[in-house]
Amino acid sequence: GQSLEQPSEVTAVEGAIVQINCTYQTSGFYGLSWYQQHDGGAPTFLSYNALDGLEETGRFSSFLSRSDSYGYLLLQELQMKDSASYFCAVRDGGGATNKLIFGTGTLLAVQP
Amino acid sequence: GAVVSQHPSWVICKSGTSVKIECRSLDFQATTMFWYRQFPKQSLMLMATSNEGSKATYEQGVEKDKFLINHASLTLSTLTVTSAHPEDSSFYICSARDIDSNQPQHFGDGTRLSIL
Repeated sequence: GQSLEQPSEVTAVEGAIVQINCTYQTSGFYGLSWYQQHDGGAPTFLSYNALDGLEETGRFSSFLSRSDSYGYLLLQELQMKDSASYFCAVRDGGGATNKLIFGTGTLLAVQP
Repeated sequence: GAVVSQHPSWVICKSGTSVKIECRSLDFQATTMFWYRQFPKQSLMLMATSNEGSKATYEQGVEKDKFLINHASLTLSTLTVTSAHPEDSSFYICSARDIDSNQPQHFGDGTRLSIL
C-alpha cells in the first residue's frame, strides 16, 4: 500500500524552530510537497522538492532524501499564525494528471 | 496567482437530497481536477480524478454512482453527491493543476456538507 507518516502533533513556542518529519512509501514518486491548512480552510502550497536537498522559501525550508524516503519541513522564527495543520504529499508521477497522496498530517500548536 | 473557486462553501440539507458542488479554475485551464474528502482532524483523501471530456477516475472504495463527476470544460468540474445521507457529511475540497504540469496543485476553499 501507499503511506506517508507524520507526527500527529507538535508544540513549540513563538520564535522557535520546529521540524516536521515525513516518511513515505508509495508506488510512484515525483516529488514531495508540503501544504499548510488552517482549521476549516483550504490547503495552501508551501514547498516542493523534486530532488534531494534543501529548498528554502523565507521562514520555511523543506528537505528531501529520496534514498531514505524521507523529508521534513522546517519552520523558523515561529509565529502564532503558524498554528495550523501541515501535510506532506507525494506526487505519484509526472504530467498534469498525476495525483497527490497526502500524509497523515501534523497539527502544530505555537504557544506564546 | 492561480485561483480555484469552489461553490457553495456550506450546504445543510435533508437526508436523501442530491447536492452539487462546483469547482472552477479562474485564471488557468485545467484538463484535470481532483476531488478530496476530509473528515475532522484527518487527512485529505483523494476521491477521484476528473478529466475534461472523459470519464472520471475513481479511487478504490469510492462509489462512482454515489459521487457523480462531470468535467465539461477546461475550467469547470462538478461533484454531485446523490441521495446524500448523514455519513456523507464531510469537507469536500477540489484542486486543479495548470496544463503546465510543473505548477503545484491549487485548492478551492472547500465545501462543508452537513446532512441532517
